[in-house]
Amino acid sequence: GENVEQHPSTLSVQEGDSAVIKCTYSDSASNYFPWYKQELGKRPQLIIDIRSNVGEKKDQRIAVTLNKTAKHFSLHITETQPEDSAVYFCAARRSGYSTLTFGKGTMLLVSP
Amino acid sequence: KAGVTQTPRYLIKTRGQQVTLSCSPISGHRSVSWYQQTPGQGLQFLFEYFSETQRNKGNFPGRFSGRQFSNSRSEMNVSTLELGDSALYLCASSREEGQGKETQYFGPGTRLLVL
Repeated sequence: GENVEQHPSTLSVQEGDSAVIKCTYSDSASNYFPWYKQELGKRPQLIIDIRSNVGEKKDQRIAVTLNKTAKHFSLHITETQPEDSAVYFCAARRSGYSTLTFGKGTMLLVSP
Repeated sequence: KAGVTQTPRYLIKTRGQQVTLSCSPISGHRSVSWYQQTPGQGLQFLFEYFSETQRNKGNFPGRFSGRQFSNSRSEMNVSTLELGDSALYLCASSREEGQGKETQYFGPGTRLLVL
């Protein structure tokens, strides 16, 4: 089955810096890659997703890049703010299947 | 549209008991997936239901079961509870048809504590 590795497990940055979280997946048939943000005590919220027919997608300060050949995708957050502090999860979904496989999560701490 | 809802939000049970959790998906969503979230293991897939049928199942023992009703609401049941079943149980719904069909939206979760 699919396996998703996520790094780093924790990431500390200063406010205004950029943050990058990386994920690799094992199943070359995967074609949908969402990213979720989970604040303490709250539900995971989708922040951005990308499909395998594009290499990059941006939404304001957030961007995701996908390298299908290397089977990895990354989340980029620019101009980080304290409210960006949360746990971020990447996930992958195989074509023809409805199951998401999640990475173990990255705890992002943004210091003022 | 109302979001995904889950009841109850908190539960305390003792070992050996059983528990039933409920999930109401977003209106029009036909797929409901269940996940177990623990600090050490992250989000682990339990099972997925679509049109009242279990389509996928994760690697959990048979004590974990579920079902889906004709209105897409879903329940999951855990029998003979063990201490290790203490976790946040999340359900997520998706449309599975049309644009954006894969996007899963999560409910607030049910936090289960087994004593």
